Amino acid sequence: GNSVTQMEGPVTLSEEAFLTINCTYTATGYPSLFWYVQYPGEGLQLLLKATKADDKGSNKGFEATYRKETTSFHLEKGSVQVSDSAVYFCALSDPETGRRALTFGSGTRLQVQP
Amino acid sequence: EPEVTQTPSHQVTQMGQEVILRCVPISNHLYFYWYRQILGQKVEFLVSFYNNEISEKSEIFDDQFSVERPDGSNFTLKIRSTKLEDSAMYFCASSEFGVHTEAFFGQGTRLTVV
Repeated sequence: GNSVTQMEGPVTLSEEAFLTINCTYTATGYPSLFWYVQYPGEGLQLLLKATKADDKGSNKGFEATYRKETTSFHLEKGSVQVSDSAVYFCALSDPETGRRALTFGSGTRLQVQP
Repeated sequence: EPEVTQTPSHQVTQMGQEVILRCVPISNHLYFYWYRQILGQKVEFLVSFYNNEISEKSEIFDDQFSVERPDGSNFTLKIRSTKLEDSAMYFCASSEFGVHTEAFFGQGTRLTVV
């Protein structure tokens, strides 16, 4: 079945540091890939997505590139802010095989210190 | 900006009681979902709903659970005979028709079974 593996957290960074959160996936079809963010006390918000190989999703300074050869979708940001502190979830759906539901990774907590 | 709304935000119930969690999806969306997140764990898919019927469900979604779209706007999750292990955050989500469309999540209902 489909699965998503994320790096363990928490990740603690100083403001303006470079961020990478690793995500790899296993899927039977040709999945769509997503990063969702959960701020404290809030629901899940879509951060970015990519739907085919070599696509780059980007939003709010965050980027992730769909790498089919390494089955990866790592999240990066060049300079994090305190306001980026949240839990980040990598997820996939596999709609071309009839599976629209999201399969989530375990989440990575990011703590950014001033 | 359109959003998914969930009520109540927090529900406390006695073990063995029935609860109904309510959601109003985004108005032009056609797919509806329920997910849950047990504290500290990953977000898990429960069920998806399209065209007035269940389109996918996970092994978690057993006979204890049911979903309904009682009118043109609401989407409900009913949990019968609640157990302590049903305590979790329950998220409703919706998405547009289309192969690679993303899901938009509500703020969640925290269910506590005592």
